[in-house]
Amino acid sequence: QVHLVDSGGGVVQPGRSLKLSCAASGFVFGAYGMHWVRQAPGKGPEWVAVIWVGGNNKFYTKSVRGRFTISRDDSKSMLFLQMDRLRVDDTAVYYCVKEGKPFGPFDSWGQGTLVTVSS
Amino acid sequence: QSALTQPPSASGSPGESVTISCTGTSSDIGTYNFVSWYQQFPGRAPNLVIYDVHKRPSDVPDRFSGSKSGTTASLTVSGLQAGDEADYYCNSYAGDNNWVFGGGTRLTVL
Repeated sequence: QVHLVDSGGGVVQPGRSLKLSCAASGFVFGAYGMHWVRQAPGKGPEWVAVIWVGGNNKFYTKSVRGRFTISRDDSKSMLFLQMDRLRVDDTAVYYCVKEGKPFGPFDSWGQGTLVTVSS
Repeated sequence: QSALTQPPSASGSPGESVTISCTGTSSDIGTYNFVSWYQQFPGRAPNLVIYDVHKRPSDVPDRFSGSKSGTTASLTVSGLQAGDEADYYCNSYAGDNNWVFGGGTRLTVL
């Protein structure tokens, strides 16, 4: 049974950094692309980033490109999101998400971790 | 503003059928069959109910079905039950390693 546990959220001031982690179990982590998806309060989900199998290919939504970095440690079944130069509009629940196959769907989601960017 | 357009609300009585639309463009729904739908209860993570336009995960009842025509995808929930009351979001691959979601539809069972 797939299990994804998100952690690392909190309250941070604009311009500061935060690193999210996701511990995966119940599947062969290294065999799947992994994503981060966020959801601002009262809004629909927004795709943030993907890292392909192998970890060499990474892609980001335009608003976080150059500020966020997705990474993975297949030996520990861990996914990460380093978030730098945080902005108020980055405030959201961040979900670690497993893809069922290339290009989707998002078939398993973590419980989410709340990031609040506020002065 | 979300990339995919959904009606903010939908409703139906128990036993009835409700269809939720999701309108995109020729760059996403109009080109790719990687359309999926997610059910979300308050305070919980989204859960996949339809993928590849019309396929259902094994644990999703066949009361949930999906379709697509042109740049619009649809989710139909038949035989409505009180437990179907939730927010529903559509999603599509949009090319160049980019994915887009809809703004969500709140389904109310009257």
